[in-house]
Amino acid sequence: GDSVTQMEGPVTLSEEAFLTINCTYTATGYPSLFWYVQYPGEGLQLLLKATKADDKGSNKGFEATYRKETTSFHLEKGSVQVSDSAVYFCALTYSGGGADGLTFGKGTHLIIQP
Amino acid sequence: NAGVTQTPKFRILKIGQSMTLQCTQDMNHNYMYWYRQDPGMGLKLIYYSVGAGITDKGEVPNGYNVSRSTTEDFPLRLELAAPSQTSVYFCASSYSPGHTEAFFGQGTRLTVV
Repeated sequence: GDSVTQMEGPVTLSEEAFLTINCTYTATGYPSLFWYVQYPGEGLQLLLKATKADDKGSNKGFEATYRKETTSFHLEKGSVQVSDSAVYFCALTYSGGGADGLTFGKGTHLIIQP
Repeated sequence: NAGVTQTPKFRILKIGQSMTLQCTQDMNHNYMYWYRQDPGMGLKLIYYSVGAGITDKGEVPNGYNVSRSTTEDFPLRLELAAPSQTSVYFCASSYSPGHTEAFFGQGTRLTVV
């Protein structure tokens, strides 16, 4: 079956540091890829997405590129802020009839120190 | 626009009790989902629905039931609660699963003692 593997946390960085959170996937078809963010006490919110190979998703200074050759979708940000502290989930799903929900990684807890 | 609304936010159940977690969305989405989130384990799909009257099992359906009588509502029923069902439960909805985002409720934190 499909699976998503992302780096274990917590990841602790200083403000303005460069961020990379690794995400790789195993899929039987050609999925769409997502990064969701969960702030304390809240539900998940979409951060960015990419629906086909070589697409780059971006939002709020975060970027991730859909790499089919390495089955990866690493999340990056050039300069993190304290407000970026949250749990980040990499996920995949299928379009065109694949209605059985998102497959999530285990989440990476990011802590940004002032 | 309220999005996805879940109730209650918190609940403590005794072993063997039952309860219904409510979920309502006002975006006219056909696709709805229930997930559970356990510490360090990501989210696991319990049940999903592709429209009113249609539901199907996800990865971890045992001990739960769902119904979908309207587009808006997708309640999750726990029968005979067990400690293993202690978790945070999220309801979500989507317009087009592979192309558009899923919208999540704020979650229900359930403790079974």
